[in-house]
Amino acid sequence: NAGVTQTPKFRVLKTGQSMTLLCAQDMNHEYMYWYRQDPGMGLRLIHYSVGEGTTAKGEVPDGYNVSRLKKQNFLLGLESAAPSQTSVYFCASNLAGQENYGYTFGSGTRLTVV
Amino acid sequence: ILNVEQSPQSLHVQEGDSTNFTCSFPSSNFYALHWYRWETAKSPEALFVMTLNGDEKKKGRISATLNTKEGYSYLYIKGSQPEDSATYLCAFKTFGNEKLTFGTGTRLTIIP
Repeated sequence: NAGVTQTPKFRVLKTGQSMTLLCAQDMNHEYMYWYRQDPGMGLRLIHYSVGEGTTAKGEVPDGYNVSRLKKQNFLLGLESAAPSQTSVYFCASNLAGQENYGYTFGSGTRLTVV
Repeated sequence: ILNVEQSPQSLHVQEGDSTNFTCSFPSSNFYALHWYRWETAKSPEALFVMTLNGDEKKKGRISATLNTKEGYSYLYIKGSQPEDSATYLCAFKTFGNEKLTFGTGTRLTIIP
C-alpha cells in the first residue's frame, strides 16, 4: 500500500517554463488537496478536489491549474513558472465523511524556479 | 482568512522532561481540529483529529485536549524522547468548509 505518491521529488525550472506535478493515491480517497510550504508560513491550500471530475480553488490558486480526471490522480500544473512559485509542494488526500481521520500526505516536491 | 496560531514557535526540552504547546483558533463555526507530527525530510503524519468540545485523545506518551468555546487545543508529550523531535502542526476546519487551515507549527528539539 503506497499511500500518496508525488512525482517528481525535485525539479528546477526556468522562468516561463511549464510543468505538471503528479499526485497519485491508492486508498480510494475521494478528497485530494495541493498545498505549498514556504519558510515561516503554514501549509497553504492551492486547489482541492472532492471527487473525480471536480476541482475548487483554495487560498493561493493564482498561477496554478489542476485536473482530476481519475479518482486516484490529482495533477497540479504551472503554465508559466515564476520565481515566486519556488516552494515545496505537498499533496494530501482523505476519505469523505471520515472526520476522525487526518489527511495522508505525500513526501513533497521541491520546486525551484530560476 | 482564518488564523491558526501556534506557540511557542520552537522549544528545546531535556530528554525525560514533559512538555506542552498550544494551538489557538477562531471559536466560531468550529468543525474539527487536527494535530500532525512532521519530521524533517518526511511528510506530515496525522496524530489526532478532534471535533467535540472537551475531547481528549491519547497516543502513547502524546495526548491532546480541545476547548472549542475558547478556541484552543493543547498537545502534551510526557517523558520526551529524542524521537519526539519534530515540528508539530495544528490545523483547523470550519463547518461546511473543505479547507483545512494550518498553523506554522511548533518545532520541538529533544536534548539527549
